[in-house]
This record gives sequence, structure tokens and C-alpha cells, in this order.
Amino acid sequence: DAGVIQSPRHEVTEMGQEVTLRCKPISGHNSLFWYRQTMMRGLELLIYFNNNVPIDDSGMPEDRFSAKMPNASFSTLKIQPSEPRDSAVYFCASSFLARETQYFGPGTRLLVL
Amino acid sequence: AQKVTQAQTEISVVEKEDVTLDCVYETRDTTYYLFWYKQPPSGELVFLIRRNSFDEQNEISGRYSWNFQKSTSSFNFTITASQVVDSAVYFCAQGRGGSQGNLIFGKGTKLSVKP
Repeated sequence: DAGVIQSPRHEVTEMGQEVTLRCKPISGHNSLFWYRQTMMRGLELLIYFNNNVPIDDSGMPEDRFSAKMPNASFSTLKIQPSEPRDSAVYFCASSFLARETQYFGPGTRLLVL
Repeated sequence: AQKVTQAQTEISVVEKEDVTLDCVYETRDTTYYLFWYKQPPSGELVFLIRRNSFDEQNEISGRYSWNFQKSTSSFNFTITASQVVDSAVYFCAQGRGGSQGNLIFGKGTKLSVKP
């Protein structure tokens, strides 16, 4: 079975540009999570969805960040405009139910110059 | 508030040594879940184990074993006869009970196993 799929794997962009990260969860999983990993802050949850509905977005840094889940097999995390401090690895994870084990994608390494 | 503490930032051992990674958690929830994930140098996060708060039975999987003690709020991870391939950052995480899905991660312990 395919795991969580994320694209792109690497993204280099310039400050001010829009960045869109994509995620395809494991088929049959009802919960999807976006995390960010930095050296300073470690792994932190940005937002999660249950059945395509955003449940907790308290971790979203600011209005420049937005996430959508238009259907059960696709989610996007958008940063507009991007800033150098957004440079991080962004992970998407999915689980059958919110409290069940989360399986992570390979991550997107974002560098904003 | 929930908190996960991994006091060991880095550990270095020689191959075949046993090593224990410590994890201490804080929570007011009566039902919660504990996890260990491995992040090898390639960067992905690999699930290793999940324990429920109501199940304190220790677990062994090959060279890996986990010791869960609610009395000390600890969930430690031991690798027996370590191998170079065990070199990675290991994260302990806590999930809340009910329908809430956010995981709280510790800062991670970087394990280096030298030949």
C-alpha cells in the first residue's frame, strides 16, 4: 500500500513568492495533519482535519498560512507571501481516526531565500 | 498542559552496546497515548510503537523494547546490541484521548552508533 505522498520534496523560492505544498493521505484514513519541523521549535502541529473539515488550526503561524482539504485524498498547505523564517521541513501525516497512529509522509524541505 | 521531555539531546555508543532513550511526559488527561518515532538521516519519520495509557505492559520487538511506567510518567526506549543502522533521531510523542488528534513531540534524542 502507498504511504502518505507529499510534493514537492524540495522547494526553493524567493521571499514574497507563493508556495503550495501538497499531500495525499493513505487511502481510508479520515484524519490529516500538517506539521512543521525546525531546529529551533522542533516538530509542531500546524493544523489537522477530520473528514476534510479543519478541526484545530491553532498552530498556524499567521494569516500567511492557509490549508485546505477539498476531498478525502488531497490537501494543500499554502504560504503567501513566503518569508525566510518559513524555511523548514513540512510534514503531512494521516491516521484512520484522529487519536490513532499517525503515519508521516517524506516531508517537503522548503527554503525561502 | 501536555509536555514531553527528552532530556538526552545526543547519545553516542559503540556498536553492540545497549542504549536507553528516556522520555518523560506530563498530562492531566486520564486517557492518552504515547508514541516513539524514528527519523533517520534521510529525514522521514518512521512509526515505531504506540501505547495506550491504560496498558502498562512492556513490549519487546526484536532488539527494541519499551518500558512504560505511569508512576513515574516515563516511556523509555531501549535498543539492545545497537547497530550502525540505528543511528537516527528518536522522538517521543504524546497524543490526547478522545477525538483530539494533535501529537506533542519531545525535542528528540540523536543517537549515533559507531562501528
